[in-house]
Amino acid sequence: NAGVTQTPKFRVLKTGQSMTLLCAQDMNHEYMYWYRQDPGMGLRLIHYSVGEGTTAKGEVPDGYNVSRLKKQNFLLGLESAAPSQTSVYFCASGRGGSYEQYFGPGTRLTVT
Amino acid sequence: AQKITQTQPGMFVQEKEAVTLDCTYDTSDPSYGLFWYKQPSSGEMIFLIYQGSYDQQNATEGRYSLNFQKARKSANLVISASQLGDSAMYFCAMRGRGWSGNQFYFGTGTSLTVIP
Repeated sequence: NAGVTQTPKFRVLKTGQSMTLLCAQDMNHEYMYWYRQDPGMGLRLIHYSVGEGTTAKGEVPDGYNVSRLKKQNFLLGLESAAPSQTSVYFCASGRGGSYEQYFGPGTRLTVT
Repeated sequence: AQKITQTQPGMFVQEKEAVTLDCTYDTSDPSYGLFWYKQPSSGEMIFLIYQGSYDQQNATEGRYSLNFQKARKSANLVISASQLGDSAMYFCAMRGRGWSGNQFYFGTGTSLTVIP
């Protein structure tokens, strides 16, 4: 039982490049989330999904796209990376309601 | 709009003493949930405790308790008998309605340092 895993752990991109971050969970959770964490700003929700095939925008969705083709996977895409997207990205999954979210280890992304 | 406020950027506590980390929230939803997470220097997010808006009693989990004052919209975390391993960032979070009721909002965090 690996919990929530994220790939890759680190990445450096040049402005304008694209990439996809992969999040996988093996807990059969319905809900999955992508956050970014910036110094002094806590975690901010980018996009989330309440089930396979459904996604919704969070607090800071601009510049990102997501897909949930399989229940266990939640992909976060950056089509044209910008320096403002330099951040640590966390994926999380959960059962919703009063249940907590389980977080992945994070991906540190630097855009130069 | 949903909002979480943590006004203490940094806190110090002597080992074995108790410490309270403040959290206030703003919501117009009648139903919501409040969470506390710990983030050590290694970076992972660790769930500590949960309080539902309709729960009559304050939540407790081992050395952690949540001082929930609904009328004041506060959900302070109390750590008793602090240990060196408690040194970390602590985040208060709220689950609000949003679209389908699954948006989470995090505060900016409080950095706790436990002094031996």
